Amino acid sequence: SQKIEQNSEALNIQEGKTATLTCNYTNYSPAYLQWYRQDPGRGPVFLLLIRENEKEKRKERLKVTFDTTLKQSLFHITASQPADSATYLCALVPSGGYQKVTFGTGTKLQVIP
Amino acid sequence: EPEVTQTPSHQVTQMGQEVILRCVPISNHLYFYWYRQILGQKVEFLVSFYNNEISEKSEIFDDQFSVERPDGSNFTLKIRSTKLEDSAMYFCASSESLRDTQYFGPGTRLTVL
Repeated sequence: SQKIEQNSEALNIQEGKTATLTCNYTNYSPAYLQWYRQDPGRGPVFLLLIRENEKEKRKERLKVTFDTTLKQSLFHITASQPADSATYLCALVPSGGYQKVTFGTGTKLQVIP
Repeated sequence: EPEVTQTPSHQVTQMGQEVILRCVPISNHLYFYWYRQILGQKVEFLVSFYNNEISEKSEIFDDQFSVERPDGSNFTLKIRSTKLEDSAMYFCASSESLRDTQYFGPGTRLTVL
């Protein structure tokens, strides 16, 4: 069955360091992959999208890589700040004419001042 | 910046009662979605809606659920006879086109007693 896995444990890092979050998937052929941020009690907020034919995408302090051979995406936040503390969700959209977005369980990031 | 809005922010209801959750998608968007998130679990797709009809739905979206676009701005999710396990955050989302980025609303917290 299709599975999307993210680090289930919280990630604690020191302010100023680079945070790296992992998303692995199995039995899935995504057309593209997205990363969202979710704060407690709030809806997911879109951050970045990367397509199956792209290796890397950047936006300000954010960088996403996508390896369709390894079936893995890495999400990096450089120069992390306490305001970056949140849960980060990986989401996949399948190829074909489907619209259903499948989310991972998310990784909680805590940036320590 | 345009955003998806949802009302109410919190709905408390008795088991067996009908509830209607309301959403106003971003005005030029054509695709609309409902997701739910049970406390501590991942965001789950319920249904997508385009051109006044359901285009895709998950196994969660059974006969107790229905969606409607009653006018040019609102998009609603109705649960006919609520169960305890329907307690969750319900998120509405919209996108400009098929497989475009989906923008989420702040959610409605549904509590079934």
